[in-house]
Amino acid sequence: DSGVTQTPKHLITATGQRVTLRCSPRSGDLSVYWYQQSLDQGLQFLIQYYNGEERAKGNILERFSAQQFPDLHSELNLSSLELGDSALYFCASSVQGDTQYFGPGTRLTVL
Amino acid sequence: GIQVEQSPPDLILQEGANSTLRCNFSDSVNNLQWFHQNPWGQLINLFYIPSGTKQNGRLSATTVATERYSLLYISSSQTTDSGVYFCAVSRRGGSQGNLIFGKGTKLSVKP
Repeated sequence: DSGVTQTPKHLITATGQRVTLRCSPRSGDLSVYWYQQSLDQGLQFLIQYYNGEERAKGNILERFSAQQFPDLHSELNLSSLELGDSALYFCASSVQGDTQYFGPGTRLTVL
Repeated sequence: GIQVEQSPPDLILQEGANSTLRCNFSDSVNNLQWFHQNPWGQLINLFYIPSGTKQNGRLSATTVATERYSLLYISSSQTTDSGVYFCAVSRRGGSQGNLIFGKGTKLSVKP
């Protein structure tokens, strides 16, 4: 158990819908990262937050957004969902930029 | 951007055998981690090793930063070692948290 929690574990939804994925980092970790794992793209960095502020942005679509709240949990919002958004979404946390610990992931299926 | 290449892409071992997995990267890094993704999809952090050598039980890793490669050694392999092993790096001078993943080495350990 990494100490990072993600909910829900599985999510099935339809094209055009909007979903919210939630992540709670390890106690004491200020940085939260979001990654997407798909069969064709592999594991890709989406976005990083540090203590509530956006720190780095990767290959995140404009339809996706994230935020980190004062209690340090983070949410990833995915809107106007397409079939190609089906993937495993991971959240990770670290103290700063060192060892990242990954949560169990949320498996999103868009039908 | 930085390129991460892992070899071999697939590896089949008999239980008890040893193996070496390789990760080459194309630029200087300030973060390198090895992960194991088990058959249930969990990403487990094995080593944070931007340089030097570390050991943890049957696993050890060495990163030669000046020559831009890292090696993961698995000794006396067990069926529970099966899964995909990922190397991930972030470029020196960039965000230390923005991990770029290789495509992974898929390991199957047969009883």
